[in-house]
Amino acid sequence: QSVLTQPSSASGTPGQMVTISCSGNASNIGSNTVNWYQHLPGAAPKLLIHNNIQRPSGVPDRFSGSKSGTSASLAISGLQSEDEADYHCAVWDDSLNGPVFGGGTKVTVL
Amino acid sequence: EVQLVESGGGLVQPGGSLRLSCAASELPFGSNWIHWVRQVPGKGMVWVSRIRSDGTGVAYADSVKGRFTISRDNAKNTLYLEMNSLRIEDTAVYFCARANRYFDEAVWGPGTLVTVSS
Repeated sequence: QSVLTQPSSASGTPGQMVTISCSGNASNIGSNTVNWYQHLPGAAPKLLIHNNIQRPSGVPDRFSGSKSGTSASLAISGLQSEDEADYHCAVWDDSLNGPVFGGGTKVTVL
Repeated sequence: EVQLVESGGGLVQPGGSLRLSCAASELPFGSNWIHWVRQVPGKGMVWVSRIRSDGTGVAYADSVKGRFTISRDNAKNTLYLEMNSLRIEDTAVYFCARANRYFDEAVWGPGTLVTVSS
């Protein structure tokens, strides 16, 4: 069981918005910044969001992050077929002295 | 941007050993940290170990402490994970990733599959 809680799946039709939640506690999300990664099978996970809300250069502005208290969210607006992937949240945990991850959310474009 | 590629995965019997390698595309790794993270297929990621660019700051997850050893050779631009006394529950895809100590803004490799089975 992962330290952070994510829904196992999410789906939407092209053009819709999909939101993925990531729930933690005071020692991880409540104290540190959240990163989001996109992972296609067989490929290297790719950084989508860091510092809760910041997008690296090259990441479309369709992807946005937010954080409130001990929860964070990733929103994908204008959903595209190429967005089909697994999405993982990650954050440092002060109690465990290491990074912790969500179980991953598989996004399907219907 | 640096690219990382893992190698050395494969099938090993319980109690056996494997050495994973993580090669970087550019010299050197720089002033940063390299982490190993693993993922059982269909499950979440789990942090395994980390090491700083100068070889210090080594740390391990409790589940692998005493069995795994992380090291790096900056001259070869390569990081290693020596895995001994392997258990069935060590079966996973192993990723190396470059980040800071707190695993922010990580750059990952595509991973290498380790299967522990008799």
